[in-house]
Amino acid sequence: DGGITQSPKYLFRKEGQNVTLSCEQNLNHDAMYWYRQDPGQGLRLIYYSQIVNDFQKGDIAEGYSVSREKKESFPLTVTSAQKNPTAFYLCASRDNSNQPQHFGDGTRLSIL
Amino acid sequence: QKEVEQNSGPLSVPEGAIASLNCTYSDRGSQSFFWYRQYSGKSPELIMFIYSNGDKEDGRFTAQLNKASQYVSLLIRDSQPSDSATYLCAVNYTGRRALTFGSGTRLQVQP
Repeated sequence: DGGITQSPKYLFRKEGQNVTLSCEQNLNHDAMYWYRQDPGQGLRLIYYSQIVNDFQKGDIAEGYSVSREKKESFPLTVTSAQKNPTAFYLCASRDNSNQPQHFGDGTRLSIL
Repeated sequence: QKEVEQNSGPLSVPEGAIASLNCTYSDRGSQSFFWYRQYSGKSPELIMFIYSNGDKEDGRFTAQLNKASQYVSLLIRDSQPSDSATYLCAVNYTGRRALTFGSGTRLQVQP
């Protein structure tokens, strides 16, 4: 089945710890995105990548980092510098700039 | 800053009625517009997209776009309790490489 796989579904972070959220797609999409959603809020863009080995900051990139070494994969690291990481994290991809974005099932991150 | 505005709701309609969801955007040059449905605790799923002025119908859903007035609407005919969800409007702003999302309208369909 073609789609976007995010893992884990739930993640807990300890104080001072970096954690990495996985996002893999087999849709052969060039562009991939990371969004953050807080309760009752819309989606805010963290980082995006239009092509392998290139990525750009979104609106709320501070405290996060990404890599795009393979077309299929776009992992997000939530660093200890992100003081309020509790949120629902959504990965998306799309074929080109005029097409819809499709989402994975999300990862829910909480602080221990 | 380019924004997408939606009434947060909740919008409550009786089963079988037409639900009308509205969205306004700030860039007249925007080219593509999307409606997503998000159930509580789940990720957004695409319902409709529209690129041209006018109406686009798909089953019980109709998207309406008015670029001159900078609004896009979603109509849901014969609303069902299973349509109860948050509906997110998204706009592909010119020069921006990712969709900009509104905060969503919560729809409640009363049986």
